[in-house]
Amino acid sequence: QVQLQESGPGLVKPSETLSLSCTVSGGSISGYYWSWIRQPPGKGLEWIGYIYDSGSTNYNPSLKSRVTISVDMSKNQFSLKLSSVTAADTAVYYCARDGGVAGRLEGYFDYWGQGTLVTVSS
Amino acid sequence: SYVLTQPPSVSVAPGKTASITCEGNNIGSKSVHWYQQQPGQAPVLVISYDRDRPSGVPERFAGSNSWNTATLTISRVEAGDEADYYCQVWHSSSDHYVFGTGTKVTVL
Repeated sequence: QVQLQESGPGLVKPSETLSLSCTVSGGSISGYYWSWIRQPPGKGLEWIGYIYDSGSTNYNPSLKSRVTISVDMSKNQFSLKLSSVTAADTAVYYCARDGGVAGRLEGYFDYWGQGTLVTVSS
Repeated sequence: SYVLTQPPSVSVAPGKTASITCEGNNIGSKSVHWYQQQPGQAPVLVISYDRDRPSGVPERFAGSNSWNTATLTISRVEAGDEADYYCQVWHSSSDHYVFGTGTKVTVL
């Protein structure tokens, strides 16, 4: 059974960079598309971006200038960096896997991490 | 950007049927996926490709998609169905995932 686990600081100061990692267990990170998704308290889901195991990425235009997603195949892990954060970036951050296999992108998420709350505050 | 609009809330009595709509421009030409999110938990896929139920999802959950509206229908609603529901599509023209605004289902 594939499991995803987010990790990283729960508190980030304004203007600094938010950094999170997602560790994948029970399966390989290779051959799949991996995404970050966030949910501000009491609000809806927002897709942040994805990465494929080759390192190719695609980001939500609303965040593109501040987002970097990277992958570390040796650790079966991928990461999110969001720069110049403000209070509006306070949210639960989820990592998730696209349902496609063998490099095919299916367009939905079949596995999610439990989520981690990141608060932006001084 | 592509926008998916859902009603903020739907109320339904136990045993009755709840219908949750998801409106988007020509959404009938896309595959729609639905997620259930219980309070404090991660979303869970309940419908993929408009109408396919993943293993373990009750037959009470059904989906449809046509023209500008996709619909998630929950039959014989139970108290445990009380949750937030999100529709989602893959917007191929921009290679982006797009989520709907979300609907809170309340079981009366």
